[in-house]
Amino acid sequence: GESVGLHLPTLSVQEGDNSIINCAYSNSASDYFIWYKQESGKGPQFIIDIRSNMDKRQGQRVTVLLNKTVKHLSLQIAATQPGDSAVYFCAEMNNFNKFYFGSGTKLNVKP
Amino acid sequence: EADIYQTPRYLVIGTGKKITLECSQTMGHDKMYWYQQDPGMELHLIHYSYGVNSTEKGDLSSESTVSRIRTEHFPLTLESARPSHTSQYLCASTEYNEQFFGPGTRLTVL
Repeated sequence: GESVGLHLPTLSVQEGDNSIINCAYSNSASDYFIWYKQESGKGPQFIIDIRSNMDKRQGQRVTVLLNKTVKHLSLQIAATQPGDSAVYFCAEMNNFNKFYFGSGTKLNVKP
Repeated sequence: EADIYQTPRYLVIGTGKKITLECSQTMGHDKMYWYQQDPGMELHLIHYSYGVNSTEKGDLSSESTVSRIRTEHFPLTLESARPSHTSQYLCASTEYNEQFFGPGTRLTVL
């Protein structure tokens, strides 16, 4: 099956700084990628997605970048806030609507 | 906010017990999923369904079973729980490509 992995298990940033969370994937045939945020005691929550025919997509304070050449995905959070503290997962979806998740990066925002 | 519910939220049971974890969604989604997640780890797909009377096993071997008799309901059953089943179980449904997750059931088998 597909393999989706994250480069850093824990990331600590200062409030107001920008955060960058990275992810590598292995299936070059995947055409849809998603970032999720999971707070303690809750299920994952959709943040932003991107299709394989795009390199960049922006949302509110978040940007996802996709580099298909090296099979790398990143999530950028601008002006990180304490409420952004959570575990972040990347996931890829194959053409059977099955989702494969990475192991998660814990983001700690220091006040 | 997605309308997907899981009960119970927490469950502690003894080895050998039969349990059913409930999952319901009121959004009319056809596709539903069960994931197993250990703390801080990735989600592993254990079952999924594309609609009523459709169930498939996921990539992670699981001793659980599921049923999909109604669109809104996707229960997961463990016939004989073991300590190795201790984990968090997350249910999700999908509309187009967006997955909505329930709050999860944290299961502890003693």
